[in-house]
Amino acid sequence: QVQLQQSGPGLVRPSETLSLTCVVSSGSINGYYWSWMRQSPGKTLEWIGYVHYTGKTNYNPSLKGRVTTSVDMSKNQLSLILTSVTAADTAVYYCARETLRGGCFDYWGQGLLVTVSS
Amino acid sequence: DIVMTQSPEFLAVSLGERATINCKSSQSVLYNSNNKNYLAWYQQKPGQPPKLLIYWASTRESGVPDRFSGSGSGTDFTLTISSLQAEDAAVYYCQQYYSSPMYTFGQGTKLEIK
Repeated sequence: QVQLQQSGPGLVRPSETLSLTCVVSSGSINGYYWSWMRQSPGKTLEWIGYVHYTGKTNYNPSLKGRVTTSVDMSKNQLSLILTSVTAADTAVYYCARETLRGGCFDYWGQGLLVTVSS
Repeated sequence: DIVMTQSPEFLAVSLGERATINCKSSQSVLYNSNNKNYLAWYQQKPGQPPKLLIYWASTRESGVPDRFSGSGSGTDFTLTISSLQAEDAAVYYCQQYYSSPMYTFGQGTKLEIK
């Protein structure tokens, strides 16, 4: 059973950088697309972006160049960086594996609440 | 972006009864080349990540009970729970993956036990 374990700070100051990691265990990063998503309190899910195991990335244009995703094959680890955060970035952040069928997500991290506040 | 609209927002159903949740996309998510609808359904319980239930609009993910079924095509889709169990209380989301990778989700339907 593939497991995704997320870690990172629960509080980030406005205008600073949010940095999260997601370690994949009992499975390989190889061959898959890995997405990051977030869910603001009481709201729906928003796709942030993905990283392929080859390093290829793609991002939601709404994040206007503030987001970077990467993969570290040696650590079986994914990373998300979001710069210049504001209160609007307060959300539960998830990493998730895209199925080989494409487009939907079969394994998810546990979620991490990140609050942007001074 | 493809906008996904779910109805109703809230639903209360008695145990053993049928629950029906609707999802409408702002444009068709049916790929004519393979005749597949790029639509998935998820279940999310409090404090947990979403769980994939249905993909290709009507195919159950492995391990999902057969009381869950999906139907529809083009722009109109339905998730049906044939005989509601207590553990089915949750929020349900539809998601389109037609406009890959700009995936979008519906706003969610909260299903409660009456």
